[in-house]
Amino acid sequence: DQQVKQNSPSLSVQEGRISILNCDYTNSMFDYFLWYKKYPAEGPTFLISISSIKDKNEDGRFTVFLNKSAKHLSLHIVPSQPGDSAVYFCAASGTSYDKVIFGPGTSLSVIP
Amino acid sequence: DAGVIQSPRHEVTEMGQEVTLRCKPISGHNSLFWYRQTMMRGLELLIYFNNNVPIDDSGMPEDRFSAKMPNASFSTLKIQPSEPRDSAVYFCASSPWGGSTDTQYFGPGTRLTVL
Repeated sequence: DQQVKQNSPSLSVQEGRISILNCDYTNSMFDYFLWYKKYPAEGPTFLISISSIKDKNEDGRFTVFLNKSAKHLSLHIVPSQPGDSAVYFCAASGTSYDKVIFGPGTSLSVIP
Repeated sequence: DAGVIQSPRHEVTEMGQEVTLRCKPISGHNSLFWYRQTMMRGLELLIYFNNNVPIDDSGMPEDRFSAKMPNASFSTLKIQPSEPRDSAVYFCASSPWGGSTDTQYFGPGTRLTVL
């Protein structure tokens, strides 16, 4: 039973447009959320995070939005670039939850 | 600075053989994690250590899997005997202090194929 869900296995976006990656979670104990990015033949790398006391966190072209009532978060990439093509993992944890749970990932392709 | 180092990068073995995957965490990091990535289940946590002590091994699939961390700079994940369904990419990660909100740094992974 997956506690962190990414229902879109893949997404294609035109270069320069917005990419929106979605993530849903079921465990209300989660209060810290992360996004990791993974290129082929490499390990995942940390991208951005958000605490449940916020509903938005921005870092350059990357913004994460959190809707606690809906148990939903999303990652926005604006503008999308070909180098953003990768697998994006949503992850959840919390101060009262002792490990990080990863979603299955969404493969993003940014088309030049 | 060197990141997390894993070896081998690729391993092909036959069913029934013993497989040992190795990991060297980032120096100074107190926690180490072993993950498995498959198409069906994504990135699953198998086990994690804090200060060389196993904290949670509930993700280890079965008794065929074992992990050790004899010192702060080395860990192994062993599968004995291996089965075709163990084929996956295995990642090791480390983090500075091991809290659930701590950033984890992943190695490049070991791609295991069991024939």
